[in-house]
Amino acid sequence: EVQLVESGGGLVQPGRSLRLSCATSGFIFGDYLMSWVRQAPGKGLEWVGFIRHKGYGGTTDYAASVKGRFIVSRDDSKSIAYLQMNSLKTDDTAVYYCVRDSGGVGDYWGQGTLVTVSS
Amino acid sequence: QLVLTQSPSASASLGASVKLTCTLSSGHSNSAIAWHQQQPEKGPRYLMRLNSDGSHNKGDGISDRFSGSSSGAERYLTISSLQSEDEADYYCQTWGTAIRIFGGGTKLTVL
Repeated sequence: EVQLVESGGGLVQPGRSLRLSCATSGFIFGDYLMSWVRQAPGKGLEWVGFIRHKGYGGTTDYAASVKGRFIVSRDDSKSIAYLQMNSLKTDDTAVYYCVRDSGGVGDYWGQGTLVTVSS
Repeated sequence: QLVLTQSPSASASLGASVKLTCTLSSGHSNSAIAWHQQQPEKGPRYLMRLNSDGSHNKGDGISDRFSGSSSGAERYLTISSLQSEDEADYYCQTWGTAIRIFGGGTKLTVL
């Protein structure tokens, strides 16, 4: 059974940093691109960024709203994806989901972790 | 620019069928999409990938009541024999080589 479990969310002040983790099981983690998607309170889904698998160089791409502040990484030995969030803004308040990406399709989602940016 | 457009809301009666629409922006009528369901207070769940020719591949355990079809730049999700648990937000999603894009979502109310 494919599972994705996010952790690391919480309350953080504007300008500070936070790192989210996504622990996975039930599939060969190293074969997949991994995405992060967020959902602000009462709003729709917004893609944040992704990391390709090593076969594609493990490169990353990001939404314009987070580029230069957020970093996606992965540890294939532990089957974990990470989202490092720096210079956080109040607009970054959202539930953050980890998503397994299969050829562009997000075919498995985690349950999400809430990040609240507030002073 | 690749954009997905969805109606904000839809409603249908218990036991009836409903067809939700996702429209691809101009120049992208051959793109495939995915449909996702988000029930209240839950994370999203993948329903299916839908190709421009109407062929679709559903996710694990997705009911036969969910089906997809396509016409030009329109991508449809049809839910038959509506049940109360189908009341949810439905999002379409597509992709490029360096981006993932979501539609604004349709909130489905089951009457």
